[in-house]
Amino acid sequence: QMQLQESGPGLVKPSETLSLTCTVSGGSIIGYYWSWIRQPPGKGLEWIGYMYHNGNTNYNPSLKSRVRISVDSAKNQFSLILSSVTAADTAVYYCAREGVDAVMETNYYDYWGQGKVVTVSS
Amino acid sequence: DIQLTQSPSFLSASVGDRVTITCRASQGISSNLAWYQQKPGKAPKLLIYGASTLRSAVPSKFSGSGSGEEFTLTIISLQPEDLATYYCQQLNSYPYTFGQGTRLEI
Repeated sequence: QMQLQESGPGLVKPSETLSLTCTVSGGSIIGYYWSWIRQPPGKGLEWIGYMYHNGNTNYNPSLKSRVRISVDSAKNQFSLILSSVTAADTAVYYCAREGVDAVMETNYYDYWGQGKVVTVSS
Repeated sequence: DIQLTQSPSFLSASVGDRVTITCRASQGISSNLAWYQQKPGKAPKLLIYGASTLRSAVPSKFSGSGSGEEFTLTIISLQPEDLATYYCQQLNSYPYTFGQGTRLEI
């Protein structure tokens, strides 16, 4: 059974950089798209971006200037870096796998981490 | 960006009821829509993808329909454990977007 686990600091100061890592177990990171999704307190879900195992990325334009996702295939991990954070970046950050139904040619998020609460505060 | 509007935002129902949640897209997304269930303090859980395909091991009390711009999630025989917030997500074009959620109270 595939499992994803987020790790990293739970408190980040304004203007500094948020850094999280997602460790994938029970399966390989190869061959899939891996994403970060966040949820501010009491609000809905926001897609941050994805990385493919070969390094290809795609980011939400609303965050593109501040975000970078990287992968370490040897460790079966991928990471999120979000720079110049403000209080608006306070959220639960989820990592997730994008699965594919090749017959239907459609995608979905089938495995999620439990979420990492990140607070931006001085 | 494609906007997804869910209705209603809040739904109160009783045990045994059947409920329907609607998700409308700001432009056509074919059948590239997924539904998720999120219980308090937990990560979202995939219920349905491709607008109408039930994920393996998800109870058949959940069903989805629609294509293009209008989609529905139907839950029959409501039970207390169905208390959750339900989200639709479009995976037709980037950036992927979610509906604002429908909070279901039993």
